[in-house]
This record gives sequence, structure tokens and C-alpha cells, in this order.
Amino acid sequence: AQSVTQLDSHVSVSEGTPVLLRCNYSSSYSPSLFWYVQHPNKGLQLLLKYTSAATLVKGINGFEAEFKKSETSFHLTKPSAHMSDAAEYFCVVHIGGATNKLIFGTGTLLAVQP
Amino acid sequence: ETGVTQSPTHLIKTRGQQVTLRCSSQSGHNTVSWYQQALGQGPQFIFQYYREEENGRGNFPPRFSGLQFPNYSSELNVNALELDDSALYLCASSLGRQGYEQYFGPGTRLTVT
Repeated sequence: AQSVTQLDSHVSVSEGTPVLLRCNYSSSYSPSLFWYVQHPNKGLQLLLKYTSAATLVKGINGFEAEFKKSETSFHLTKPSAHMSDAAEYFCVVHIGGATNKLIFGTGTLLAVQP
Repeated sequence: ETGVTQSPTHLIKTRGQQVTLRCSSQSGHNTVSWYQQALGQGPQFIFQYYREEENGRGNFPPRFSGLQFPNYSSELNVNALELDDSALYLCASSLGRQGYEQYFGPGTRLTVT
């Protein structure tokens, strides 16, 4: 069965320092993977997607993620955190076939300290 | 281009009542998915509609039902509300039966007392 595991429930960084949010996936074939961001009391916004093209994926707001098949990982990074990056981040895998749906990880809450 | 909209924004219901939540899909999209997000958790898939037919269902009881209309807008109905149904309900639209790139609305916050 396909699933994603987010390794950290909370991450705290200082403004201007790098961000690393970790995600491992489980899949019997090449998955479609996503990162979504959710700001407080807001809906979900698509940050970036991997669909078996380039393994390094660039998204919005300076975020990027690298698909590593050997490590079954899809970690989200940003070189320099901004206060506005404080939010909940979800790693997501798409399941197609008879049931077309997204499976969400448990989320990582990113805090950015001034 | 109009994004995904949901109504109402907030709703308070009593246990045992019924509720209807509404979603308008993004312009050009013909698929709508519904998710339940309990406090502190990731969204859980409820079901999906493609061209007015159910196209997959998650592990939710039959008292969760839905509809999709010819204009691709959708409703989520929940009967016999329970306290555990309190959550943020998210609607997402996409293109095609296997469309994986889903765009979410702001959600409806349902509180059951």
C-alpha cells in the first residue's frame, strides 16, 4: 500500500536559516508526490509536485524537493526561511486506479523565530 | 479563473442533525474530491465525484453521501451527526478521472455539539 511518513511533527528555525522538512514514502511503483502548505485557518495550497520527470522539483516561494528513489525520500527544503513560511506542511502521495485520491502525511508544523 | 469556493464558512449543529456542505469547483475542472480534517491531523479522503458519478470512496460510513451537479459543483451531506464529525471539511477540484493535481477550497468548519 502507498503511504507517506513525515518524520518530524514540529520544526523550529530562525529567520534566514535553511528549512528541511522530511518525508519518506512507501510505494510499489513510481509515485506521484506533492507538498502542500496550510496556513492557520486557511485551505491547502499546492507547493510543488513530483510526477516522474526531473527528480529535483522547484515550487513556489523558493521551496524545492528532491525525489530520491534509493532512500524513498521526498524532503522539502528552502535555503532561507521567512516569517511568512510559518505554517503546517503536508507530504502527500497520489493513489490512482479504482480509487483516485490523495493520501496525506500527519503534517509538520514549521515555526520561524525572528 | 475562479478558484474553489465552499459554503458555509462555519457551521454549528447538534448531534443527530443533518448537514449539507457545498463546493464550487475551479473553472474547467470536472472532478471534485471531499476530505475531512480533524483538529491536528492530516486530511482524510471521503469520496470523489467525476462527471456526476462517484469515482472512489474512503473509509467513511454511508451516512456521508454526496452529489455532483451538471455544472460540476458538489454537495457533501452528513446524516445523524456525531460529535466526532466535528472537523474542517475540504473540497478539492481537479481535471479528469485520474487527475492528481488537486486544488483546495478554504474549507467549512463544522462543529457538532
